[in-house]
Amino acid sequence: DMKVTQMPRYLIKRMGENVLLECGQDMSHETMYWYRQDPGLGLQLIYISYDVDSNSEGDIPKGYRVSRKKREHFSLILDSAKTNQTSVYFCASRLTVYEQYFGPGTRLTVL
Amino acid sequence: AQSVTQPDARVTVSEGASLQLRCKYSYSGTPYLFWYVQYPRQGLQLLLKYYSGDPVVQGVNGFEAEFIKSNSSFHLRKASVHWSDSAVYFCAVSRGGTNAYKVIFGKGTHLHVLP
Repeated sequence: DMKVTQMPRYLIKRMGENVLLECGQDMSHETMYWYRQDPGLGLQLIYISYDVDSNSEGDIPKGYRVSRKKREHFSLILDSAKTNQTSVYFCASRLTVYEQYFGPGTRLTVL
Repeated sequence: AQSVTQPDARVTVSEGASLQLRCKYSYSGTPYLFWYVQYPRQGLQLLLKYYSGDPVVQGVNGFEAEFIKSNSSFHLRKASVHWSDSAVYFCAVSRGGTNAYKVIFGKGTHLHVLP
């Protein structure tokens, strides 16, 4: 069964703290994504990863960075989190041009 | 540039009624089109997809969509909705080809089905 996992599911941090969101997939998909979802804005693309150590900025990369050292694992890092980074973050993976598979999301609150 | 417009932010229908959720896209080439559904506190799940061939595609749970190239539309339909169909529906477009990595999502339509 194809699956994308995200950890943690819920996270509360204080402004200025570092945040690590983790995503895993068991489908050996080359391409992985990080999105954030805010009310009324839909999904906004933060980063795309084409494969290990091959990452590209999406539409809103400022304040974020990513790491992909294994094909199955893709991390999103917030260095010194800000309150406007409070959001729900989704990871997805994709096999070439076909549909994406989404994780359940991480709800991040930055106080 | 690619874009997706879902003109209806919220749609309310009664259980058993028919449904159409609208989606229009802007793309100059041959698009790959998707509809996803998001239930509360969950990630997006694929409902159906269109790559080529028959412009009417069938999806899960009785959903279908029709690709109309002349109108740049990919509306989602269901003949009879159930209360459990209440969710947010996203239309998405991607271009074809080997470098088609980016997927553009609409802002979503929140469907509320009255029991």
